[in-house]
Amino acid sequence: GAVVSQHPSRVICKSGTSVKIECRSLDFQATTMFWYRQFPKQSLMLMATSNEGSKATYEQGVEKDKFLINHASLTLSTLTVTSAHPEDSSFYICSASAGYEQYFGPGTRLTVT
Amino acid sequence: QKEVEQNSGPLSVPEGAIASLNCTYSDRGSQSFFWYRQYSGKSPELIMSIYSNGDKEDGRFTAQLNKASQYVSLLIRDSQPSDSATYLCAVRNTGGFKTIFGAGTRLFVKA
Repeated sequence: GAVVSQHPSRVICKSGTSVKIECRSLDFQATTMFWYRQFPKQSLMLMATSNEGSKATYEQGVEKDKFLINHASLTLSTLTVTSAHPEDSSFYICSASAGYEQYFGPGTRLTVT
Repeated sequence: QKEVEQNSGPLSVPEGAIASLNCTYSDRGSQSFFWYRQYSGKSPELIMSIYSNGDKEDGRFTAQLNKASQYVSLLIRDSQPSDSATYLCAVRNTGGFKTIFGAGTRLFVKA
């Protein structure tokens, strides 16, 4: 149990375009979903926390207008990177929680050219 | 002081040995503690959770919690090369739903 999927697993886009990443909890209802970013050889960085039907809470330094998060249902959250730039290239990982434990999706590797 | 501290390593142990990974946390009221394993290029995988003082065993893994010392550890018995990964300690903060992650300890198990 506790499976979280992410789509796409890898995406390459041109600078200035927008990219949407989907995160789904497959076998449980996630009251809370989290979005992380991880640069090579660095630790996880929490970007935002979202509860179903509510606005996301962004961590300090994360631009909410650039990283749009929608948590439309208890099993789906999306992260849209708007007007992506090469510095946004990173490994984006979602995580879902229905209690105390968090389960991670497989991640999305974004490359902006 | 970081909220969750881990030695970054690398920790190198021979195959078959016990690997001991340690973590301290600053929020004395924390109640939930987790260990995740992250292979290079992959996302973290939950391997252990512990909520009360003492030891919790699951296969070759044992998590140990000492709330008075604000210390949690993970022991891996009979270490295998496939255990080589970064191990993340995570602590759920008091009264909230945010989990704070340590920076991770890199473990190398030498064949």
